Amino acid sequence: QQQVKQSPQSLIVQKGGISIINCAYENTAFDYFPWYQQFPGKGPALLIAIRPDVSEKKEGRFTISFNKSAKQFSLHIMDSQPGDSATYFCAAPEEYIFGTGTRLKVLA
Amino acid sequence: NAGVTQTPKFQVLKTGQSMTLQCAQDMNHNSMYWYRQDPGMGLRLIYYSASEGTTDKGEVPNGYNVSRLNKREFSLRLESAAPSQTSVYFCASSEGRYYEQYFGPGTRLTVT
Repeated sequence: QQQVKQSPQSLIVQKGGISIINCAYENTAFDYFPWYQQFPGKGPALLIAIRPDVSEKKEGRFTISFNKSAKQFSLHIMDSQPGDSATYFCAAPEEYIFGTGTRLKVLA
Repeated sequence: NAGVTQTPKFQVLKTGQSMTLQCAQDMNHNSMYWYRQDPGMGLRLIYYSASEGTTDKGEVPNGYNVSRLNKREFSLRLESAAPSQTSVYFCASSEGRYYEQYFGPGTRLTVT
């Protein structure tokens, strides 16, 4: 079964810093690479997604970058804020697979 | 719009007891899903329903059954609960952009 490997497991960043989360996938073709955000006690919600024919997509402070040759896509959170503290999941939606999650804490 | 609703929010069961987790969505979505979330394991698909009247097994279906009652409702049943089923259960739905799943708030289940 297809796997997505997410790293790091946890991340602590100072307010205003850059948070970077990576997701590696195995050899298959996906139509979309999404990132989900989950706050404590809530269900996950789609944050941003990218198609594989695009190398980068930016929405506000959140950017997805896609490296097809490295089979990796990354989430960058610029100017990280305490309100960004949450768990982030990448996913392989065609196979209903989610990464194991990265718990981000942004210190005030 | 309430989106995806789940009941109950919390439940404690004894080993061997049965229960049904309820899920409903008001977005007219065709596809619905049940996941379980365990620490360090991410979300794992239990069952999904691509449309009313169809259900398919996911990654971890053992010990569970599902019913797609109608387009709005998708229930998950534990026939004989086991401690290994202690988890947080999420229902989700999607339509069109299949990679965009809408999740409910979850049910936290403890089996003692």
